[in-house]
Amino acid sequence: AQSVTQPDIHITVSEGASLELRCNYSYGATPYLFWYVQSPGQGLQLLLKYFSGDTLVQGIKGFEAEFKRSQSSFNLRKPSVHWSDAAEYFCAVGIFKAAGNKLTFGGGTRVLVKP
Amino acid sequence: DTGVSQDPRHKITKRGQNVTFRCDPISEHNRLYWYRQTLGQGPEFLTYFQNEAQLEKSRLLSDRFSAERPKGSFSTLEIQRTEQGDSAMYLCASSPVFLRTSGGADIQYFGAGTRLSVL
Repeated sequence: AQSVTQPDIHITVSEGASLELRCNYSYGATPYLFWYVQSPGQGLQLLLKYFSGDTLVQGIKGFEAEFKRSQSSFNLRKPSVHWSDAAEYFCAVGIFKAAGNKLTFGGGTRVLVKP
Repeated sequence: DTGVSQDPRHKITKRGQNVTFRCDPISEHNRLYWYRQTLGQGPEFLTYFQNEAQLEKSRLLSDRFSAERPKGSFSTLEIQRTEQGDSAMYLCASSPVFLRTSGGADIQYFGAGTRLSVL
């Protein structure tokens, strides 16, 4: 069965500093990978996705992620964090079949931004 | 496009009562999903529909849970005889029709969720 691990439960970063969130997955085939962000009281917003092709993918709000098959990782990065980036971030692997689709999420990483 | 809408946003109920939540997907999205998110955890898959057909149910979906999507548009999730362990955020997501260009993968758009508290 597939699984996703986000090793860091909390990360605190200063505004303007760089941010990297780790994600490791376990899945037997080529994965479809996603990063979502959740602000308090809000649903999940898609930041970016990897389906195939270029292993460095760009997303919204200045985020990017790199797929490394050899390390089973899909880490999320942002060069300069803004206070509005404080939120919870979830990595997910998608299991897609012709008649079935579901996402398996990691436990999330809560990001706190210091002024 | 008004996004995925969920109602109510919050529900407080007493143990043993029945509750029903509604999800309105993005117009013309034929796939609809339900997830449950407990405090400090990531969302967990419950069930999904393609049009009106319920195609997969998680083992998390006990006999007390039932989901419907009668006309292939909105969906309801009912929990009978609620227990304190049912307290969670219930998230709904929808995705558009199968896209060949995406290799079969779809992109799920989430609503804001319904937070259930069982006292």
